[in-house]
Amino acid sequence: AQTVTQSQPEMSVQEAETVTLSCTYDTSESDYYLFWYKQPPSRQMILVIRQEAYKQQNATENRFSVNFQKAAKSFSLKISDSQLGDAAMYFCGGTSGSRLTFGEGTQLTVNP
Amino acid sequence: DSGVTQTPKHLITATGQRVTLRCSPRSGDLSVYWYQQSLDQGLQFLIHYYNGEERAKGNILERFSAQQFPDLHSELNLSSLELGDSALYFCASSPRLGVGGTEAFFGQGTRLTVV
Repeated sequence: AQTVTQSQPEMSVQEAETVTLSCTYDTSESDYYLFWYKQPPSRQMILVIRQEAYKQQNATENRFSVNFQKAAKSFSLKISDSQLGDAAMYFCGGTSGSRLTFGEGTQLTVNP
Repeated sequence: DSGVTQTPKHLITATGQRVTLRCSPRSGDLSVYWYQQSLDQGLQFLIHYYNGEERAKGNILERFSAQQFPDLHSELNLSSLELGDSALYFCASSPRLGVGGTEAFFGQGTRLTVV
């Protein structure tokens, strides 16, 4: 994606509850990939989930799932049964050609 | 461990100086990406190399340059450093030209502090 926008600088959720992080993107390409990465306090970038744009089925990885709305250029991340270890900065990213561009991030706090 | 190695982990230098950050991609990965993350900011894409050739350039300052060597390791050179260049610099690698079908594997980053 040429641009990726995350409109929620901060979000919070109670432990065991569900939270959704928003992401929109802009691209003129028909073939692209979307990602959610997690950055805990250690600053390590960890892949959470990825989505191929040509696949209509939403990707799911255990407690993490996405809602991919291609026409709306929306790619939200849902975290179910939130755990304390989910607390981190979450970055949405998208490809444009060979480049991978990220949004500004959403800081997720998980309250016990 | 992602398999991507960045050195050094920390670097403190003075304004006006020049530094080189090094990245060793995962074994067999041909693509190397460089990102800058300033304090509490997102990741700014700087540049992408594939098999030794520059393939995409982002918001990289003219004072910054990079290259990828025949053994596929990459170096990011930062010169005439300013206080605002203080940031965490990430390198990422992927097997092919893009990250399609796989992911970008990130190193631990180099923390650069300009004083």
